[in-house]
Amino acid sequence: ETGVTQTPRHLVMGMTNKKSLKCEQHLGHNAMYWYKQSAKKPLELMFVYSLEERVENNSVPSRFSPECPNSSHLFLHLHTLQPEDSALYLCASSQDRPRQGARPSSPQHFGDGTRLSIL
Amino acid sequence: RKEVEQDPGPFNVPEGATVAFNCTYSNSASQSFFWYRQDCRKEPKLLMSVYSSGNEDGRFTAQLNRASQYISLLIRDSKLSDSATYLCVVNALYNQGGKLIFGQGTELSVKP
Repeated sequence: ETGVTQTPRHLVMGMTNKKSLKCEQHLGHNAMYWYKQSAKKPLELMFVYSLEERVENNSVPSRFSPECPNSSHLFLHLHTLQPEDSALYLCASSQDRPRQGARPSSPQHFGDGTRLSIL
Repeated sequence: RKEVEQDPGPFNVPEGATVAFNCTYSNSASQSFFWYRQDCRKEPKLLMSVYSSGNEDGRFTAQLNRASQYISLLIRDSKLSDSATYLCVVNALYNQGGKLIFGQGTELSVKP
């Protein structure tokens, strides 16, 4: 059983829909991440949360809205997405707390991902 | 120049072969390095960390050359189950703290 659980596994939505992706980590980690993985492209970091505080937003369009109610849960709210947003969305967690000037974070544990298709 | 660059492959090798993957990174402030493995349509999983002195885990050997900003992964006696995409990952230090940068991945296909 993976320590990081994502739901749903697959999502098909229209451009005008609103949906949310959910991520839950059972590892006691204090940092969580959203990544986007498109075909033939490297993983792109979208958001980083450390102890429920957003510490990084990698110039992500506002149609993606993250929410971190506690250190175990992370959501990605989606609205009015575009076809180019179709991708695999991966959640990850890590033990270290990413903070300015600190030693970089430890390896991350990933969830299975949500495969998103925009019609 | 890409922050982390890998040969995308695919590498097609027979069982039992030795295969080497190379990776270069551009940020000289990078402090930690990893190899991840990603199976088709699955999430990335940590394969091994890469230490300055080089390290080995069974059939897998990782090397780091900080002067050349180069990382390698050697797989000996390849198995069919080694077929996957191997991601070179660099943890670079930026103003906001550390950030994992993923390479595009190198695809490996091991054939009987």
